[in-house]
Amino acid sequence: GAGVSQTPSNKVTEKGKYVELRCDPISGHTALYWYRQSLGQGPEFLIYFQGTGAADDSGLPNDRFFAVRPEGSVSTLKIQRTERGDSAVYLCASTSGQTGGVFGGYTFGSGTRLTVV
Amino acid sequence: RKEVEQDPGPFNVPEGATVAFNCTYSNSASQSFFWYRQDCRKEPKLLMSVYSSGNEDGRFTAQLNRASQYISLLIRDSKLSDSATYLCVVTTSYSSASKIIFGSGTRLSIRP
Repeated sequence: GAGVSQTPSNKVTEKGKYVELRCDPISGHTALYWYRQSLGQGPEFLIYFQGTGAADDSGLPNDRFFAVRPEGSVSTLKIQRTERGDSAVYLCASTSGQTGGVFGGYTFGSGTRLTVV
Repeated sequence: RKEVEQDPGPFNVPEGATVAFNCTYSNSASQSFFWYRQDCRKEPKLLMSVYSSGNEDGRFTAQLNRASQYISLLIRDSKLSDSATYLCVVTTSYSSASKIIFGSGTRLSIRP
């Protein structure tokens, strides 16, 4: 697609429920990133994929969080047993990597606003 | 200590003023640096990359000081539309296969 697409744009769930957040990156982008942003804070790194594999998942806060990218394109962030502290905007970004020797930067989706009540 | 630190502001300046922000990073192995702009309730968008030699894009000038591990952004002749949060971004690689770290952002408000 033309940009990074994230669905749903808003999700309200009850404490303890399971949620899935989807990211559809720009076609051809091999690297995909998940971030979480709380109000008044910068985006906090969660995980990034290079192709199908998680190259760095050091930002996942605990084992309730898991992400997959089975075909190297769409990715799903899964949160089990949601807690009120999980409420945030979850941002996805993708990039193609180097462009003419200069790093091209990242393109973000518009995010999923998750509210756990 | 955070890997990337920014003064949160807010910076409240009149239209037409010049304003500058700094950002410091702790990892001396950092290789690539960017400034992103984020409007309220929107996603971050790339403003400009930051090169060692310094670079300019219209009213915006970015500088990198590797010795002191800081990055700066200068905005000249500020416009009302410059009001936003400016995020400093650092990676440890020139390629895309790298974790990217954001600062908490500096809020800028331009008043008429």
